[in-house]
Amino acid sequence: DIQMTQSPSSLSASVGDRVTITCRASQGIKNDLGWYQQNPGKAPKRLIYAASTLQSGVPSRFSGSGSGTEFTLTISSLQPEDIGTYYCLQYNDYPITFGQGTRLEIK
Amino acid sequence: EVQLVQSGAEVKKPGESLTISCKGSGYSFPSYWIGWVRQVPGKGLEWMGIIYPGDSATRYSPSFQGQVTISVEKSINTAYLQWSGLKASDTAIYYCARGLALDDWGQGTLVTVSS
Repeated sequence: DIQMTQSPSSLSASVGDRVTITCRASQGIKNDLGWYQQNPGKAPKRLIYAASTLQSGVPSRFSGSGSGTEFTLTISSLQPEDIGTYYCLQYNDYPITFGQGTRLEIK
Repeated sequence: EVQLVQSGAEVKKPGESLTISCKGSGYSFPSYWIGWVRQVPGKGLEWMGIIYPGDSATRYSPSFQGQVTISVEKSINTAYLQWSGLKASDTAIYYCARGLALDDWGQGTLVTVSS
């Protein structure tokens, strides 16, 4: 199985800060990676697919980069509504696997 | 507009069977994989398996193989997740999602298993 390791597992930042979350794959997955946001009590929502393509309707402060084994999700200017947990997902090979999640809170 | 609407919350006893559903609309249902994801309360997301409605091809995570059955009835645009003998450890929210990359998600179905 491909293991997805996210870091950090949690972080606290102020409104307006630039926030970066990293996901590392245990083997190369090309750009078959998505990023998902789960606000408290809600279903997850996809933000990014193919590592760097912004889902329609998602604010442009979110961006993704990387390929192969190293990937990054960046929020350029943190907003209060961005609190929640963020997950990466690889869909390059079965079984499809999630990262363990990064919990984001506002300072 | 793409929508995935899941069946309502369930409360069951250990050993009972259960089937929950996920109905797709707003897109060509046979042409997109439907995946299932488990979330134990307070924990992360776990990919369970996936089915292609066009030909019912199915893949399971090794962690869930033999524990659940994923099926589909494409004539009514509905996918199913089934248990034949629930355990307390199956208590979780179950989400369905469209596509290999889980493009769009259902609202989730809470399954509670308790004696």
